[in-house]
Amino acid sequence: QVQLQESGPGLVKPSQTLSLTCTVSGGSISSGSYFWSWIRQPAEKGLEWIGRISTSGTTNYNPSLKSRLTISIDSSKNQFSLNLTSVTAADTAVYYCARVRSGAYDYWGQGALVTVSS
Amino acid sequence: DIVMTQSPLSLPVTPGEPASISCRSSQSLLQSNGYNYLDWYLQKPGQSPQLLIYLGSNRASGVPDRFSGIGSGTDFTLNISRVEAEDVGLYYCMQTLQTPHSFGQGTKLEIK
Repeated sequence: QVQLQESGPGLVKPSQTLSLTCTVSGGSISSGSYFWSWIRQPAEKGLEWIGRISTSGTTNYNPSLKSRLTISIDSSKNQFSLNLTSVTAADTAVYYCARVRSGAYDYWGQGALVTVSS
Repeated sequence: DIVMTQSPLSLPVTPGEPASISCRSSQSLLQSNGYNYLDWYLQKPGQSPQLLIYLGSNRASGVPDRFSGIGSGTDFTLNISRVEAEDVGLYYCMQTLQTPHSFGQGTKLEIK
């Protein structure tokens, strides 16, 4: 059974960088035709797609975040990561990582709350 | 970017009764391979979203057969044949035809 777990600081100061890691267990991150994705959800709001990375490292980003966003993959650690620079309070949200297979987000992490505040 | 619009946004349902949620996309989600790149997700209270339906009409593993998805092109519907108490939560449609992938606003299903 594939499992995903987000980890990283729960509190980030404005203008700093938000960094999260998603650790995949129960399967290799580099096997199969998968994408690995990040999604976020501000409190009491809907879901926002952040971006995705393929097993070969090809990325697609939400244009609204592209200038501040980097998603990377580390197959040796079975992890992929998100870096979002110059954060503001608007970036406060629960951040989810997920596996994507044939367009379907079939496995999700439990989510990590990140608060941007001084 | 493709905009997804759901209705209704709130759906009170009596247990045992059917329920339907509509989802419309601003562009056709039908690819030349014949598949509609439209998924449905349920986010139960306090939980992560879970996949219900993928490619428009395919139930994900472990999803009860009371859930079904229909539609093609720009108009899709999630049907629940007989609502149970465990079905409460937020339902989202999502297009995965092109990036950025995008979600509908969410439909909150509650039990009357």
